[in-house]
Amino acid sequence: GENVEQHPSTLSVQEGDSAVIKCTYSDSASNYFPWYKQELGKGPQLIIDIRSNVGEKKDQRIAVTLNKTAKHFSLHITETQPEDSAVYFCAANYGGSQGNLIFGKGTKLSVKP
Amino acid sequence: NAGVTQTPKFQVLKTGQSMTLQCAQDMNHNSMYWYRQDPGMGLRLIYYSASEGTTDKGEVPNGYNVSRLNKREFSLRLESAAPSQTSVYFCASRVPGQGANTEAFFGQGTRLTVV
Repeated sequence: GENVEQHPSTLSVQEGDSAVIKCTYSDSASNYFPWYKQELGKGPQLIIDIRSNVGEKKDQRIAVTLNKTAKHFSLHITETQPEDSAVYFCAANYGGSQGNLIFGKGTKLSVKP
Repeated sequence: NAGVTQTPKFQVLKTGQSMTLQCAQDMNHNSMYWYRQDPGMGLRLIYYSASEGTTDKGEVPNGYNVSRLNKREFSLRLESAAPSQTSVYFCASRVPGQGANTEAFFGQGTRLTVV
């Protein structure tokens, strides 16, 4: 079946450093790639998304890059802060524009003060 | 704006008992989803409803049933709970009329333990 691989599963950085999380997908028809942040005891919340017609999108300290040829996309967080500590999920739609989202297994990010 | 509301937040069941998890959204979304989240497994789709009156199986549907009661509500039922169904369950919904390229909004989750 379709699959989204996410790495690493855990990531620990010092406050102020950058963090990078990488995902690969298998469905060549995928064209929507959101990233979600999940804080302890809460549901996931969208932080940024990218569509297949662009290669990069930035929102303040967060950026996402997409390489459709290689079928991978990445989340970049610069100048990390303790409040960035959470579990991050990547996702991709599958089966074309009407498809559902498949999620990666998550990355637990810890930002140490 | 309440968004997606799930009840209950916590539940403990004995093996073999049944229960229904409730979900309601107030954003007029066509599509609604039920996911389960297990350690190291990410979010796996159980069932979804693309629109009122339709439901379809996701990746892990065995042991579950769903009902799309109306446009707002989408319930998940466990007929005979098993310890393997111990998990955190999330309901989600999406903006209507824009296919799959839209943000999914999640509820706060239901933490279910089956003993």
